[in-house]
Amino acid sequence: GAGVSQSPSNKVTEKGKDVELRCDPISGHTALYWYRQRLGQGLEFLIYFQGNSAPDKSGLPSDRFSAERTGESVSTLTIQRTQQEDSAVYLCASSFGTSADTQYFGPGTRLTVL
Amino acid sequence: SQKIEQNSEALNIQEGKTATLTCNYTNYSPAYLQWYRQDPGRGPVFLLLIRENEKEKRKERLKVTFDTTLKQSLFHITASQPADSATYLCAHQAGTALIFGKGTTLSVSS
Repeated sequence: GAGVSQSPSNKVTEKGKDVELRCDPISGHTALYWYRQRLGQGLEFLIYFQGNSAPDKSGLPSDRFSAERTGESVSTLTIQRTQQEDSAVYLCASSFGTSADTQYFGPGTRLTVL
Repeated sequence: SQKIEQNSEALNIQEGKTATLTCNYTNYSPAYLQWYRQDPGRGPVFLLLIRENEKEKRKERLKVTFDTTLKQSLFHITASQPADSATYLCAHQAGTALIFGKGTTLSVSS
């Protein structure tokens, strides 16, 4: 595929359940980012992966949030014990190398916690 | 703390006019700023990057300026078209992340 893909596109879950969101970056991109966008708000940085380096987790809002990346490929963002305030669009982006490079975004996963 | 702000949430203009969007930053001096476009239900798409030593950058009908004295970047769309209607985001680098403004939603009416 030519772009960043994310799945599912929509996820509705009940409060307290765990969810996993998936991101497939552009092939060859070593950097991968997760952002959260609440309704009417700007993008909020969550986590950054660069190659095999330790991820920058400084944006994760609580210990209910975690993310993994296998090498330079797929990443999953996991939210445990979801809360209603977790409802948002979760966007993934990838770039060639450093964080200074242009980021290419996926279409996002819209998460609704009932 | 570092802040990046887009003062106008919405801008409505007529087709053919020039749209001007503003991005202000406080408490820091970014090495560069990026501008993205976001359509409903889609992720942002990169448009332009301007560095602090560049006064102006152009791409087709788009022009971005960077005024380090005013701590401001202006984003212009000339000869605007209804297809330009979208939300436009400015962003700066902070550590490893891009920090985004909330965006300005531009509506161009025919």
